Order: sequence, then structure tokens, then C-alpha cells
Amino acid sequence: AQRVTQPEKLLSVFKGAPVELKCNYSYSGSPELFWYVQYSRQRLQLLLRHISRESIKGFTADLNKGETSFHLKKPFAQEEDSAMYYCALRTGDDKIIFGKGTRLHILP
Amino acid sequence: NAGVTQTPKFQVLKTGQSMTLQCAQDMNHNSMYWYRQDPGMGLRLIYYSASEGTTDKGEVPNGYNVSRLNKREFSLRLESAAPSQTSVYFCASTLDGSNSPLHFGNGTRLTVT
Repeated sequence: AQRVTQPEKLLSVFKGAPVELKCNYSYSGSPELFWYVQYSRQRLQLLLRHISRESIKGFTADLNKGETSFHLKKPFAQEEDSAMYYCALRTGDDKIIFGKGTRLHILP
Repeated sequence: NAGVTQTPKFQVLKTGQSMTLQCAQDMNHNSMYWYRQDPGMGLRLIYYSASEGTTDKGEVPNGYNVSRLNKREFSLRLESAAPSQTSVYFCASTLDGSNSPLHFGNGTRLTVT
């Protein structure tokens, strides 16, 4: 079965501390993975995608096929990072499914 | 560019009533999606349309129907609303191809009493 698991509902981190949001997936094919972010009163928007190997707003994510993971990391949290973060998986038939999301709360 | 436009923004229904949520995109995207967002449940895929003329069930299709009217428009219909369908509904679209991102609408907040 295709599944995206985000084990943490809420993650509280002090400003300046490292952040890691976990994402694990279950898919038999070749996965396409994304992180989306929803800031307060804004639309869901793409943060980054695994194929690009980019760093957006200081965040990076590496696809680990052996561990079926795509964890989101940032070395130094900022207050503006407080938001809801969703990991998403795109399958070969264009279905795109999401995890349950993790609310990141940056403490001052 | 308007992007992805959803109507209405808010709606209150009584149990058993029907309604259609409208979604239109002006980005010439091929694929369109309907999700519902509930606290603690994240985004769950209801239906999607990989191209004009095709629709497929997602994770939670029961109680819903969809129509891909043309390339721009993808509507979601509740034939007989139930309180369990109280949710925020999001429409999204993507161009196609590998790693194209989803573009989301602003959402429709639906309450069924």
C-alpha cells in the first residue's frame, strides 16, 4: 500500500536549534517526494522536492531509499519557520498523497 | 494570473442536502486534485484527474463525485451531505511530468449540520 507517515504531530524547537521533521514512505515504485508548507492564513505551497536537491529557506531533505525516508532538516531554526509541514508522495499514476502533517513551533 | 480558484469560500449545509464545489485553474495544467483537510488527519485525496476526460478515486472517495468538465475545471459534488463531510476542501493542480509541484486553491470551508 502507498503511504506517507509523519510520526510527529507537533514539534517544538528553540530558535537557533536544529530542526528535523521526519517523513517515511511506503511505495513499491520509484518515488517522487515533496515537502509542502502552510503558513498561518496562507495557501499550501511547495517547499522543496527531492529531485532538485535544493535548499529553500535553509531547509534541505535527502531521499534515503534504503530507509524509505525523506526527512526535512534545517541547522538553525528561525521564528518565521513556525508553520504546518506536509510530506507528499507522487506515484506513477499521478496520484499524490500526503502525510498527516507536523506542526512546527519555534520557541523564542 | 489567478492560479487555482475555488468557490464558494464558505458553505453551511443541512444533512441530506447536495452541493457542488467548483474549481478552475488558468495555468494550462493537465492534472487536478481534490483533498479534504481535517485536524489530525492531514490532507486526504478524494479524487483526482490526471488528464482531461479521466478521473480516478483517491483515498476517501465515498460520498463524493467529480466531473472534469474541461481542462480548466474540476468540480466536486456531494449528493447527500453528511456531518462527517464537514471539512476544509482544497483543489490543486499540477502541470504534469516528473516533479511538477501542486498549486493549491484557497480552500472551501464546509459545515454540515
